Amino acid sequence: DTGVSQDPRHKITKRGQNVTFRCDPISEHNRLYWYRQTLGQGPEFLTYFQNEAQLEKSRLLSDRFSAERPKGSFSTLEIQRTEQGDSAMYLCASSLGGKYQPQHFGDGTRLSIL
Amino acid sequence: AQTVTQSQPEMSVQEAETVTLSCTYDTSESDYYLFWYKQPPSRQMILVIRQEAYKQQNATENRFSVNFQKAAKSFSLKISDSQLGDAAMYFCAYRSAYSGYALNFGKGTSLLVTP
Repeated sequence: DTGVSQDPRHKITKRGQNVTFRCDPISEHNRLYWYRQTLGQGPEFLTYFQNEAQLEKSRLLSDRFSAERPKGSFSTLEIQRTEQGDSAMYLCASSLGGKYQPQHFGDGTRLSIL
Repeated sequence: AQTVTQSQPEMSVQEAETVTLSCTYDTSESDYYLFWYKQPPSRQMILVIRQEAYKQQNATENRFSVNFQKAAKSFSLKISDSQLGDAAMYFCAYRSAYSGYALNFGKGTSLLVTP
């Protein structure tokens, strides 16, 4: 399977704990995106990487959130001091260059905060 | 920021019939890209069809076609010969040609296909 891979599929944690998610994009894709999707809503953009450079960050990405993409390959999204409102599906997508190129999505990581 | 509105939270269609899902968007830009994505239950989101704003011809992909009305800022999706496998959430998305790489999604339309 050469699609976008996300790990874990589901994460359950207590409020106040830190969590980290991983995304492995399609190998030839240089662009990588993170979105958050809550129940009944469409995905909301969080951040975007071109290779290893983080070029865009949404205002939704508070200082408790940090994302990295070392060496332009896989990416991690960390949430520190989780809150109830962080419960959501976190989606990763990747694409080739050019704005007409479609973004290919992974299955997502569902975060549940107890 | 551009907003995308999908006014139909749920739609239902019988197998083999045709259904149209609505999408409108708000923008002051003249060039942009529009997408329809499908998200089956507990499965990943996949691209259905895309349209470049400066192309007047409506995009088609097999049973899926769009009605792109630039002046009205409307981008509806028509599914012909509906199949059970078409049942899913459908999201309309906007992407600016000028600023940023983010997709701005609508809230989605849940499509039910009945035998």
